[in-house]
Amino acid sequence: GEQVEQRPPHLSVREGDSAVITCTYTDPNSYYFFWYKQEPGASLQLLMKVFSSTEINEGQGFTVLLNKKDKRLSLNLTAAHPGDSAAYFCAVGPYAQGLTFGLGTRVSVFP
Amino acid sequence: EAAVTQSPRNKVTVTGGNVTLSCRQTNSHNYMYWYRQDTGHGLRLIHYSYGAGNLQIGDVPDGYKATRTTQEDFFLLLELASPSQTSLYFCASSDAFRGEVFFGKGTRLTVV
Repeated sequence: GEQVEQRPPHLSVREGDSAVITCTYTDPNSYYFFWYKQEPGASLQLLMKVFSSTEINEGQGFTVLLNKKDKRLSLNLTAAHPGDSAAYFCAVGPYAQGLTFGLGTRVSVFP
Repeated sequence: EAAVTQSPRNKVTVTGGNVTLSCRQTNSHNYMYWYRQDTGHGLRLIHYSYGAGNLQIGDVPDGYKATRTTQEDFFLLLELASPSQTSLYFCASSDAFRGEVFFGKGTRLTVV
């Protein structure tokens, strides 16, 4: 089945700086790609969905890049602020059901 | 906004005890899931279902049963709870085609 490796496990970022989280996956048939954010003590919230035909998505304060050739998905926090302090998870799969989640990246933003 | 409601939010039980975690979704989603989240292991899929009466085995099913009684309701059963099942449990639902998984707020289970 699908295997997902997420790096780094921890990230300490100065406020205003950028940071990148990367997931590599193994199944070339994967079609569904998502990023989730989990604030301390809270549930997982959908941050961004990436369709196979989309290479770059931009949201509020972040950019997502999908490279299907290298089987790599990345999340770039473009100008970190304290509200970005959370755990981030990628989720990947060939089918809508049974996504495989990365182990997560815990991001801490400091002043 | 998709809604997934879990109960209870916190539960403490003794080793060998019987526990039922409940989940209801009001999104008319086909799929429902039970995950456990543990430090160092991320999210692991226990069981999932694509409709009432259906059950599919996930990646870590040992020690767990599940039942989908209706489109809305999915239950996770621990019949002989063990300390290794101390974890944060999330229920989730998704549409068959769109793929976005919506999570409940979680149930923290402690087995002493």
